Amino acid sequence: AQSVTQPDIHITVSEGASLELRCNYSYGATPYLFWYVQSPGQGLQLLLKYFSGDTLVQGIKGFEAEFKRSQSSFNLRKPSVHWSDAAEYFCAVGGNDMRFGAGTRLTVKP
Amino acid sequence: SAVISQKPSRDICQRGTSLTIQCQVDSQVTMMFWYRQQPGQSLTLIATANQGSEATYESGFVIDKFPISRPNLTFSTLTVSNMSPEDSSIYLCSAHGGEGIQYFGAGTRLSVL
Repeated sequence: AQSVTQPDIHITVSEGASLELRCNYSYGATPYLFWYVQSPGQGLQLLLKYFSGDTLVQGIKGFEAEFKRSQSSFNLRKPSVHWSDAAEYFCAVGGNDMRFGAGTRLTVKP
Repeated sequence: SAVISQKPSRDICQRGTSLTIQCQVDSQVTMMFWYRQQPGQSLTLIATANQGSEATYESGFVIDKFPISRPNLTFSTLTVSNMSPEDSSIYLCSAHGGEGIQYFGAGTRLSVL
């Protein structure tokens, strides 16, 4: 069965610092992988997706993620965090049958 | 992409009552989904709703408690029936937008007293 693990429940970074959020997945075939962001009181917004091809994918708001099959990982990165990036981030695997990780809450310090 | 409008955005309900949540998509979609997000938790799929057929429920969710309608390709409703405080959650609908992507509404924040 497919599953997603986000090892970090809560991460705090300073504004302007780099960010990496970890995501590991379990899936029987080449997965469809996604990162979503949920701001307080909002629904989920798609940041980026990976289906195939180039393993480094670019998303909105300056985010990128790298698919590493050997590590079953799809980590999200941003070179310089802004205060407005404070939110909950969810990694997901699958398509019609989408499974979400537990989420990582990002706090941004001034 | 698809724009999902969900209402109500929040509600406070009494124990034993029912609430119907509406989800409107700005384009025709085959598959829509309903999720529950309990406080501080991730999303749990309640059911998949295809137009013209009965919704498919995930383990732990039953039609009597969460009846779903899907009358056309742009609209769905989820009813939370005979509510108890344990039903206090965020309920989210999503639409399948192709290439495995799901687009989400802003959610309904339900509190049951």
